[in-house]
Amino acid sequence: QQQVKQSPQSLIVQKGGISIINCAYENTAFDYFPWYQQFPGKGPALLIAIRPDVSEKKEGRFTISFNKSAKQFSLHIMDSQPGDSATYFCAASRENSNSGYALNFGKGTSLLVTP
Amino acid sequence: DAGITQSPRHKVTETGTPVTLRCHQTENHRYMYWYRQDPGHGLRLIHYSYGVKDTDKGEVSDGYSVSRSKTEDFLLTLESATSSQTSVYFCATRTGFSGNTIYFGEGSWLTVV
Repeated sequence: QQQVKQSPQSLIVQKGGISIINCAYENTAFDYFPWYQQFPGKGPALLIAIRPDVSEKKEGRFTISFNKSAKQFSLHIMDSQPGDSATYFCAASRENSNSGYALNFGKGTSLLVTP
Repeated sequence: DAGITQSPRHKVTETGTPVTLRCHQTENHRYMYWYRQDPGHGLRLIHYSYGVKDTDKGEVSDGYSVSRSKTEDFLLTLESATSSQTSVYFCATRTGFSGNTIYFGEGSWLTVV
């Protein structure tokens, strides 16, 4: 079963707007939550990541908000640009060697930023 | 870029034939993974390795086997390819330290006809 649920499936935002993608998880043992960005024909690349001991992490125009009690986390892209148009994946993992640190991914959100 | 090379990058094969995809890394990362990506499913873990000759199954391992005889190489084999295995396959690696980035390769597009 899908361990990480992501929404929306697709998103259209005007240039300069805010893009918001949401994820929810069930397994309370997850303790590492990265977001990956993928352009067509390329492999996913790490965008930003957070641990559950903080509620927010910001890197440039990208912010992760984390709500441990609700088991939800979200990606906010401020001042969205056409170059941000890509597929975004949230993920979660258990940081212990028994699980091999493998990432459990959401199904992805296709973001289109219009000029 | 974590020095990950996947081969072949594109392959068309017939149903019932064996197929091997290769992942080569140059960073001496301990962990290696094979994921498949399909529309509507995101990325799903097939198998992973936590060292030479040490491998384990992931979420969608049926029909796949893996081998890791050297730190730098992780092979994914489809013993008898089926049309449901048409997908994009991504290799990924990371170090053994907690919280370190998982790096992905560029992908291998496999079509089974």
